[in-house]
Amino acid sequence: QKEVEQDPGPLSVPEGAIVSLNCTYSNSAFQYFMWYRQYSRKGPELLMYTYSSGNKEDGRFTAQVDKSSKYISLFIRDSQPSDSATYLCAICWMDSSYKLIFGSGTRLLVRP
Amino acid sequence: AAGVIQSPRHLIKEKRETATLKCYPIPRHDTVYWYQQGPGQDPQFLISFYEKMQSDKGSIPDRFSAQQFSDYHSELNMSSLELGDSALYFCASSLDRGNEQFFGPGTRLTVL
Repeated sequence: QKEVEQDPGPLSVPEGAIVSLNCTYSNSAFQYFMWYRQYSRKGPELLMYTYSSGNKEDGRFTAQVDKSSKYISLFIRDSQPSDSATYLCAICWMDSSYKLIFGSGTRLLVRP
Repeated sequence: AAGVIQSPRHLIKEKRETATLKCYPIPRHDTVYWYQQGPGQDPQFLISFYEKMQSDKGSIPDRFSAQQFSDYHSELNMSSLELGDSALYFCASSLDRGNEQFFGPGTRLTVL
């Protein structure tokens, strides 16, 4: 079992829809959570960074963390065709490396 | 805003050759991470540096080595290249450890 589980999709939605992307994790020691967007053959682009339970909003994006359930979500409002990409959740492993452990990524397609 | 710079962007090598990948972090960032992303896979942690000292190693082959220099740029040296080393190699940087990691555009390495 991977330490971070993420539905690979693909997820296809019409333009303007609200998108919900989710990850679960197994280690309650994880404390820092990030969401990245990655277009094909490009570097991951940081969308959201949070470390506490609750919601964090930035424009059309809302990150939600529930540490008691070990569940994190990213919501995209008013989705656009330009949002079509792979979305990766990432959790920071707080040992000497501070490495990120990624979910497998969810492919999102927003249809015009 | 300045981003992480990686060079070269593309690299083609023969088996058993060597390769050097370079990473220039965001100005004032003191922590550098290297990740490897195979086709259709999520990024996997290789190695990290904080203040020019190696922090930790992940699933990095002994054929690979890396260092961080006095100007905080980092180089990943890969020897005796194998076909399986073909992948996207990303560098990320952060201001201190445990903070947001910003990724570069990646180096696409193809081993023939």
